[in-house]
Amino acid sequence: GAVVSQHPSRVICKSGTSVKIECRSLDFQATTMFWYRQFPKKSLMLMATSNEGSKATYEQGVEKDKFLINHASLTLSTLTVTSAHPEDSSFYICSASRSSVINEQFFGPGTRLTVL
Amino acid sequence: KNEVEQSPQNLTAQEGEFITINCSYSVGISALHWLQQHPGGGIVSLFMLSSGKKKHGRLIATINIQEKHSSLHITASHPRDSAVYICAAPDKYSGGGADGLTFGKGTHLIIQP
Repeated sequence: GAVVSQHPSRVICKSGTSVKIECRSLDFQATTMFWYRQFPKKSLMLMATSNEGSKATYEQGVEKDKFLINHASLTLSTLTVTSAHPEDSSFYICSASRSSVINEQFFGPGTRLTVL
Repeated sequence: KNEVEQSPQNLTAQEGEFITINCSYSVGISALHWLQQHPGGGIVSLFMLSSGKKKHGRLIATINIQEKHSSLHITASHPRDSAVYICAAPDKYSGGGADGLTFGKGTHLIIQP
């Protein structure tokens, strides 16, 4: 149990376009989802925390207008990278948490974004 | 913000050796995560522990809350264990719900046949 999926697994896009990444909890309800990114040879870094039905909380230095997060249901959160730029090329990973278990997070497999 | 330090950064060992990876953090937490990342990036959650010790197959994780330190051990290591191992701690102590994690830089483990 506790499976989290991400789609797509890889995406290549041109500069200026928008890309949407989906994160789904397949067999549980996730009241909180997290979005992380990892630049090459760097640590994973928290981008934002998303609670179902409310606005996401962004970490310092993460532009909320560039990285749009929607957590419309208890099983789906989406991250949209708007006006993508080559510097947005990164590995994006989501995780999902059930509110009943403190600090338990289930990770998605990640999405590799390449912006040309 | 929690500061998470891992050691060693790189570790190469022979098949069968006992492996230890260490993790320390600066802010008291309710639970710590150990993750495994293979080439290509996919993350697998190995352990979440808040006290004592957990064991899963050849993997053992221990945590000392007072000393803010955790270790991940691999017994009878095998080449398929080669991966990056990452510890992660919540940004702050939470009495409920979940907090975003701060990740260590990872330990790049290579097990040679």
